[in-house]
Amino acid sequence: TQLLEQSPQFLSIQEGENLTVYCNSSSVFSSLQWYRQEPGEGPVLLVTVVTGGEVKKLKRLTFQFGDARKDSSLHITAAQTGDTGLYLCAGVRNQAGTALIFGKGTTLSVSS
Amino acid sequence: EADIYQTPRYLVIGTGKKITLECSQTMGHDKMYWYQQDPGMELHLIHYSYGVNSTEKGDLSSESTVSRIRTEHFPLTLESARPSHTSQYLCASSESVNQPQHFGDGTRLSIL
Repeated sequence: TQLLEQSPQFLSIQEGENLTVYCNSSSVFSSLQWYRQEPGEGPVLLVTVVTGGEVKKLKRLTFQFGDARKDSSLHITAAQTGDTGLYLCAGVRNQAGTALIFGKGTTLSVSS
Repeated sequence: EADIYQTPRYLVIGTGKKITLECSQTMGHDKMYWYQQDPGMELHLIHYSYGVNSTEKGDLSSESTVSRIRTEHFPLTLESARPSHTSQYLCASSESVNQPQHFGDGTRLSIL
């Protein structure tokens, strides 16, 4: 059973388009993290969302944490080729958790 | 700049060889992790450590072993490599379980 479901699994768009990727669960998380991984490199943290309903912006990227802290979304405005990569969400279930729980990721390809 | 280092970046080696993948971090983090990841796919936790002399197996069964003799060093060893071990291995560290993880750039391992 995958605790964190990410959708879509693959997304291929043109430069300038907007997109949203989702991270959903039936479990409550104390916080969610979003990472981006480029080919040949390790994942890099983009943002952490902690409070239900929280919205964080990182330039053209907007992250939202659901009110019930079970889901999150990442919206990219006017995508650029540099946004290409694997986007991973990761959740912390509670203070006693052994480690982060990662979703399977969304592979985004932005072409010019 | 990278505060967590993995060597080698790439390794192509024959079946039956003993392999050690190195991981070092300079942040003084107690928590360290090893993940296995096929290209563009999800991360699978194979080992983690909460501090010196602490090691635990992760969610994905692995024939590899780890050791944690020093805080900054968390090597992974395969006693007898097989083609099924071909994958990318990512090392990460964090200040605590619910804090963001810092990843190395990975070792791409290919067993012939």
